Amino acid sequence: GQQVMQIPQYQHVQEGEDFTTYCNSSTTLSNIQWYKQRPGGHPVFLIQLVKSGEVKKQKRLTFQFGEAKKNSSLHITATQTTDVGTYFCAGPGTTSGTYKYIFGTGTRLKVLA
Amino acid sequence: NAGVTQTPKFRILKIGQSMTLQCTQDMNHNYMYWYRQDPGMGLKLIYYSVGAGITDKGEVPNGYNVSRSTTEDFPLRLELAAPSQTSVYFCAGENSGANVLTFGAGSRLTVL
Repeated sequence: GQQVMQIPQYQHVQEGEDFTTYCNSSTTLSNIQWYKQRPGGHPVFLIQLVKSGEVKKQKRLTFQFGEAKKNSSLHITATQTTDVGTYFCAGPGTTSGTYKYIFGTGTRLKVLA
Repeated sequence: NAGVTQTPKFRILKIGQSMTLQCTQDMNHNYMYWYRQDPGMGLKLIYYSVGAGITDKGEVPNGYNVSRSTTEDFPLRLELAAPSQTSVYFCAGENSGANVLTFGAGSRLTVL
Protein backbone atom coordinates (compact mmCIF):
# COMPACT_ATOMS: atom_id res chain seq x y z
CA GLY A 1 0.00 0.00 0.00
CA GLN A 2 0.89 3.65 -0.15
CA GLN A 3 3.58 4.78 2.23
CA VAL A 4 4.81 8.17 3.32
CA MET A 5 8.23 8.16 4.90
CA GLN A 6 10.06 10.96 6.62
CA ILE A 7 13.74 11.38 7.36
CA PRO A 8 15.36 11.81 9.70
CA GLN A 9 13.32 10.15 12.43
CA TYR A 10 15.02 12.27 15.09
CA GLN A 11 17.12 15.41 14.97
CA HIS A 12 18.88 17.21 17.77
CA VAL A 13 20.21 20.68 16.95
CA GLN A 14 21.78 23.51 18.86
CA GLU A 15 19.60 26.59 19.08
CA GLY A 16 20.37 28.80 16.09
CA GLU A 17 21.23 25.91 13.76
CA ASP A 18 19.11 25.09 10.74
CA PHE A 19 16.91 22.00 10.44
CA THR A 20 15.40 20.15 7.50
CA THR A 21 13.00 17.23 7.34
CA TYR A 22 12.18 15.35 4.17
CA CYS A 23 8.95 13.62 3.23
CA ASN A 24 8.80 10.95 0.51
CA SER A 25 5.66 9.31 -0.84
CA SER A 26 5.52 6.04 -2.75
CA THR A 27 2.83 7.57 -4.99
CA THR A 28 2.16 10.95 -6.54
CA LEU A 29 0.24 13.31 -4.26
CA SER A 30 -2.34 15.84 -5.37
CA ASN A 31 -1.44 17.97 -2.36
CA ILE A 32 0.55 17.72 0.84
CA GLN A 33 0.09 19.21 4.28
CA TRP A 34 2.48 19.76 7.15
CA TYR A 35 1.56 19.52 10.81
CA LYS A 36 3.44 20.23 14.04
CA GLN A 37 2.83 18.35 17.26
CA ARG A 38 4.32 19.74 20.44
CA PRO A 39 5.30 17.20 23.12
CA GLY A 40 2.12 15.99 24.79
CA GLY A 41 -0.02 17.95 22.36
CA HIS A 42 -2.06 17.38 19.26
CA PRO A 43 -1.11 17.93 15.61
CA VAL A 44 -1.64 21.47 14.41
CA PHE A 45 -1.91 22.38 10.74
CA LEU A 46 0.96 24.46 9.38
CA ILE A 47 0.53 24.67 5.64
CA GLN A 48 -0.71 23.02 2.44
CA LEU A 49 1.17 22.75 -0.85
CA VAL A 50 -0.64 21.97 -4.07
CA LYS A 51 1.44 22.90 -7.12
CA SER A 52 4.44 21.07 -8.49
CA GLY A 53 7.63 22.81 -7.34
CA GLU A 54 5.69 25.11 -5.00
CA VAL A 55 7.63 26.93 -2.28
CA LYS A 56 5.94 28.66 0.64
CA LYS A 57 7.43 30.52 3.57
CA GLN A 58 6.17 31.20 7.06
CA LYS A 59 8.69 33.38 8.88
CA ARG A 60 11.64 31.02 9.53
CA LEU A 61 9.90 28.00 7.97
CA THR A 62 10.24 27.17 4.27
CA PHE A 63 8.12 24.44 2.70
CA GLN A 64 8.74 22.90 -0.71
CA PHE A 65 6.77 20.47 -2.89
CA GLY A 66 8.80 18.42 -5.33
CA GLU A 67 8.46 18.71 -9.10
CA ALA A 68 7.13 15.15 -9.33
CA LYS A 69 4.78 15.76 -6.38
CA LYS A 70 6.17 12.73 -4.58
CA ASN A 71 8.34 14.51 -2.05
CA SER A 72 8.36 17.57 0.12
CA SER A 73 10.62 19.28 2.62
CA LEU A 74 10.37 21.59 5.59
CA HIS A 75 13.35 23.78 6.43
CA ILE A 76 13.64 25.82 9.60
CA THR A 77 16.24 28.58 9.68
CA ALA A 78 17.91 29.45 12.98
CA THR A 79 15.93 27.10 15.19
CA GLN A 80 14.51 28.27 18.49
CA THR A 81 13.41 26.27 21.52
CA THR A 82 9.82 26.94 20.50
CA ASP A 83 10.40 24.80 17.40
CA VAL A 84 10.62 21.64 19.52
CA GLY A 85 8.12 18.99 18.50
CA THR A 86 7.34 16.39 15.88
CA TYR A 87 6.72 17.48 12.31
CA PHE A 88 4.43 15.36 10.14
CA CYS A 89 3.65 15.53 6.48
CA ALA A 90 0.35 14.15 5.22
CA GLY A 91 -1.19 13.56 1.85
CA PRO A 92 -4.36 12.11 0.35
CA GLY A 93 -4.40 8.42 -0.42
CA THR A 94 -4.54 8.73 -4.21
CA THR A 95 -3.74 11.32 -6.83
CA SER A 96 -7.44 11.81 -7.49
CA GLY A 97 -8.06 12.87 -3.92
CA THR A 98 -9.54 10.92 -1.09
CA TYR A 99 -10.89 11.42 2.36
CA LYS A 100 -8.15 9.22 3.78
CA TYR A 101 -5.03 11.15 4.66
CA ILE A 102 -1.82 9.19 4.99
CA PHE A 103 0.51 10.65 7.59
CA GLY A 104 4.24 10.40 7.38
CA THR A 105 6.28 8.74 10.08
CA GLY A 106 7.26 12.12 11.55
CA THR A 107 10.52 13.83 12.47
CA ARG A 108 11.08 14.62 16.12
CA LEU A 109 13.05 17.80 16.60
CA LYS A 110 14.86 18.64 19.80
CA VAL A 111 16.50 22.04 20.15
CA LEU A 112 19.29 22.40 22.70
CA ALA A 113 19.63 25.84 24.25
CA ASN B 1 -16.23 28.13 18.87
CA ALA B 2 -14.92 25.26 20.96
CA GLY B 3 -13.52 23.48 17.88
CA VAL B 4 -13.09 19.71 18.17
CA THR B 5 -13.68 18.46 21.71
CA GLN B 6 -12.74 15.02 22.97
CA THR B 7 -13.69 13.33 26.22
CA PRO B 8 -12.35 11.82 28.36
CA LYS B 9 -8.77 13.12 28.35
CA PHE B 10 -7.49 10.09 30.22
CA ARG B 11 -8.92 6.66 30.91
CA ILE B 12 -7.67 3.37 32.31
CA LEU B 13 -9.54 0.23 31.29
CA LYS B 14 -9.25 -3.38 32.30
CA ILE B 15 -8.93 -6.03 29.61
CA GLY B 16 -12.34 -6.90 28.21
CA GLN B 17 -14.07 -3.72 29.32
CA SER B 18 -15.90 -1.50 26.86
CA MET B 19 -15.99 2.26 26.51
CA THR B 20 -16.81 5.08 24.16
CA LEU B 21 -14.54 7.97 23.32
CA GLN B 22 -16.60 11.03 22.60
CA CYS B 23 -15.85 13.58 19.89
CA THR B 24 -17.95 16.62 19.11
CA GLN B 25 -17.32 19.62 16.90
CA ASP B 26 -18.96 22.98 16.28
CA MET B 27 -17.04 23.96 13.15
CA ASN B 28 -19.48 22.48 10.62
CA HIS B 29 -16.97 19.80 9.64
CA ASN B 30 -18.66 17.33 7.34
CA TYR B 31 -15.63 15.02 7.34
CA MET B 32 -14.45 13.53 10.61
CA TYR B 33 -11.66 11.10 11.46
CA TRP B 34 -10.37 8.97 14.30
CA TYR B 35 -6.63 8.34 14.54
CA ARG B 36 -4.53 6.48 17.06
CA GLN B 37 -0.96 7.36 17.90
CA ASP B 38 1.23 4.85 19.67
CA PRO B 39 4.19 6.20 21.71
CA GLY B 40 6.80 7.79 19.49
CA MET B 41 4.93 6.80 16.35
CA GLY B 42 2.86 8.40 13.63
CA LEU B 43 -0.89 8.58 13.18
CA LYS B 44 -2.91 5.61 12.00
CA LEU B 45 -6.45 6.11 10.68
CA ILE B 46 -9.06 3.99 12.44
CA TYR B 47 -12.37 5.16 10.92
CA TYR B 48 -13.64 8.17 9.08
CA SER B 49 -16.96 9.71 8.09
CA VAL B 50 -17.93 11.97 5.21
CA GLY B 51 -21.27 12.95 6.67
CA ALA B 52 -24.07 11.96 9.00
CA GLY B 53 -24.93 8.30 8.55
CA ILE B 54 -21.83 7.53 6.47
CA THR B 55 -18.74 5.87 7.93
CA ASP B 56 -15.89 3.80 6.54
CA LYS B 57 -12.87 1.88 7.75
CA GLY B 58 -9.36 3.24 7.80
CA GLU B 59 -6.05 1.42 8.15
CA VAL B 60 -6.59 -0.13 11.62
CA PRO B 61 -10.36 -0.60 12.28
CA ASN B 62 -10.26 -3.95 14.09
CA GLY B 63 -11.59 -3.75 17.64
CA TYR B 64 -13.37 -0.44 17.08
CA ASN B 65 -16.74 0.82 15.91
CA VAL B 66 -18.06 4.27 15.08
CA SER B 67 -21.34 5.97 14.39
CA ARG B 68 -22.30 9.35 12.95
CA SER B 69 -25.92 10.04 13.79
CA THR B 70 -25.39 13.80 13.70
CA THR B 71 -22.89 16.05 11.90
CA GLU B 72 -21.51 17.26 15.22
CA ASP B 73 -20.77 13.95 16.95
CA PHE B 74 -18.49 11.07 16.00
CA PRO B 75 -18.02 8.65 18.92
CA LEU B 76 -15.51 5.79 18.84
CA ARG B 77 -16.50 2.57 20.58
CA LEU B 78 -14.12 -0.05 21.97
CA GLU B 79 -16.07 -3.23 22.68
CA LEU B 80 -13.52 -5.58 24.29
CA ALA B 81 -10.48 -3.60 25.33
CA ALA B 82 -7.09 -5.22 24.77
CA PRO B 83 -3.60 -4.06 25.83
CA SER B 84 -2.80 -3.44 22.15
CA GLN B 85 -5.35 -0.63 22.21
CA THR B 86 -3.27 1.35 24.69
CA SER B 87 -2.67 4.54 22.75
CA VAL B 88 -3.54 8.19 22.35
CA TYR B 89 -6.65 8.71 20.26
CA PHE B 90 -7.21 11.83 18.22
CA CYS B 91 -10.43 12.94 16.61
CA ALA B 92 -10.15 15.37 13.71
CA GLY B 93 -12.55 17.30 11.55
CA GLU B 94 -12.35 18.79 8.09
CA ASN B 95 -14.52 20.94 5.90
CA SER B 96 -14.81 19.22 2.53
CA GLY B 97 -12.23 20.37 0.03
CA ALA B 98 -10.21 22.33 2.58
CA ASN B 99 -7.52 19.66 3.07
CA VAL B 100 -6.97 20.96 6.58
CA LEU B 101 -7.51 18.72 9.59
CA THR B 102 -8.41 20.26 12.94
CA PHE B 103 -7.52 17.90 15.75
CA GLY B 104 -8.97 17.52 19.20
CA ALA B 105 -6.69 17.52 22.24
CA GLY B 106 -6.61 13.71 22.36
CA SER B 107 -7.74 10.94 24.68
CA ARG B 108 -5.04 8.86 26.37
CA LEU B 109 -6.23 5.31 26.92
CA THR B 110 -4.41 2.65 28.92
CA VAL B 111 -5.62 -0.95 28.94
CA LEU B 112 -4.29 -3.11 31.79
